[in-house]
Amino acid sequence: ETGVTQTPRHLVMGMTNKKSLKCEQHLGHNAMYWYKQSAKKPLELMFVYSLEERVENNSVPSRFSPECPNSSHLFLHLHTLQPEDSALYLCASSQVGTSSGEQFFGPGTRLTVL
Amino acid sequence: AQTVTQSQPEMSVQEAETVTLSCTYDTSESDYYLFWYKQPPSRQMILVIRQEAYKQQNATENRFSVNFQKAAKSFSLKISDSQLGDAAMYFCAYRSYNNNDMRFGAGTRLTVKP
Repeated sequence: ETGVTQTPRHLVMGMTNKKSLKCEQHLGHNAMYWYKQSAKKPLELMFVYSLEERVENNSVPSRFSPECPNSSHLFLHLHTLQPEDSALYLCASSQVGTSSGEQFFGPGTRLTVL
Repeated sequence: AQTVTQSQPEMSVQEAETVTLSCTYDTSESDYYLFWYKQPPSRQMILVIRQEAYKQQNATENRFSVNFQKAAKSFSLKISDSQLGDAAMYFCAYRSYNNNDMRFGAGTRLTVKP
């Protein structure tokens, strides 16, 4: 595997379900991110982990819970979601401290909440 | 907070022609980075080109070039000799020099006509 991978690619869940999204980066980066992408809206930054410490929350509802067990893995735990949470969830990684700090993205998980 | 505006929700171009996508941003900072990302229908977001604000010379990557106007806070992307594979959503992004927070515009959907 190369780059940033995400599983599952598609997820359909009911509002009472609990599920988790997984992200793995194979680039040796030290920062990882969760974004929400909804139609015709800018990407919304949800969570940032830098050096495995969460550095930003951005007022995300508590029904979204991130976990970063090490610098290569990032999870987004979901519970009691709402239909408006349906979106594409993108994971990204970058190397903190480099000149441009460009982010590398995974393919995303398309989430549908029924 | 910095904001990024892409005023063209959709653009189209004839194959082999040139197209320019617009981006403006709002910031009080003097040091920052600007990016254009491409998101094809497969949804993996990839970096097209980057620009450091302290550099006066416009960045170029093969058929892709930017027109960076720092005083006007404008950062447009020019695609020359457009190809069918250029069809995608294009996102303009801003990153502060001192942190990893990236701000994205709402995107421009580019269609390439054969």
